Amino acid sequence: DTGVSQDPRHKITKRGQNVTFRCDPISEHNRLYWYRQTLGQGPEFLTYFQNEAQLEKSRLLSDRFSAERPKGSFSTLEIQRTEQGDSAMYLCASSPRTSGDQETQYFGPGTRLLVL
Amino acid sequence: AQTVTQSQPEMSVQEAETVTLSCTYDTSESDYYLFWYKQPPSRQMILVIRQEAYKQQNATENRFSVNFQKAAKSFSLKISDSQLGDAAMYFCAYSWSADKLIFGTGTRLQVFP
Repeated sequence: DTGVSQDPRHKITKRGQNVTFRCDPISEHNRLYWYRQTLGQGPEFLTYFQNEAQLEKSRLLSDRFSAERPKGSFSTLEIQRTEQGDSAMYLCASSPRTSGDQETQYFGPGTRLLVL
Repeated sequence: AQTVTQSQPEMSVQEAETVTLSCTYDTSESDYYLFWYKQPPSRQMILVIRQEAYKQQNATENRFSVNFQKAAKSFSLKISDSQLGDAAMYFCAYSWSADKLIFGTGTRLQVFP
């Protein structure tokens, strides 16, 4: 199995611009999670999908954030009108449908966003 | 609300020695899962070990083992025979069912030769 992949790995943007990140989960993993990690902190949950259904969204996910997983495979996270406070590492994780391991999340390398 | 606390921002250990990282958590659930993840500098998060709350036996993975004390809501990680490659941020995390992970703030482990 190839691991979780994320694209791009780094993104620098100017305040007010829109950005979109992509996550490809491990093949046949049915759950996909997005987290945000700021420097020196642990990851904070943003949202997650089971197949194409978005099951939970954190209060951290303001109206400027939207996530999709249209065909239950890859997912995108879009941030509109970026602010300097959006600068962080955005992590994606996936978990299998296999009973006994579905609680374990496997992480991608992350997308590091810097908003100038 | 569930919370995870790691009270040691930094720890250090000499190569080949043993070190224990602490984690406490708060939950009202009886069935849940606990994890230790390792995040090397500028590299991705890797699962180290997991523990199911319904299992009394402490999980082990090679040089890594946990001390799970359910009543005390404590979940420490012991690293034996420490290696230079063990240097990283270590995060303790909690999950209920196949739900979101709740992370602690992490412990930075330094390994000295």
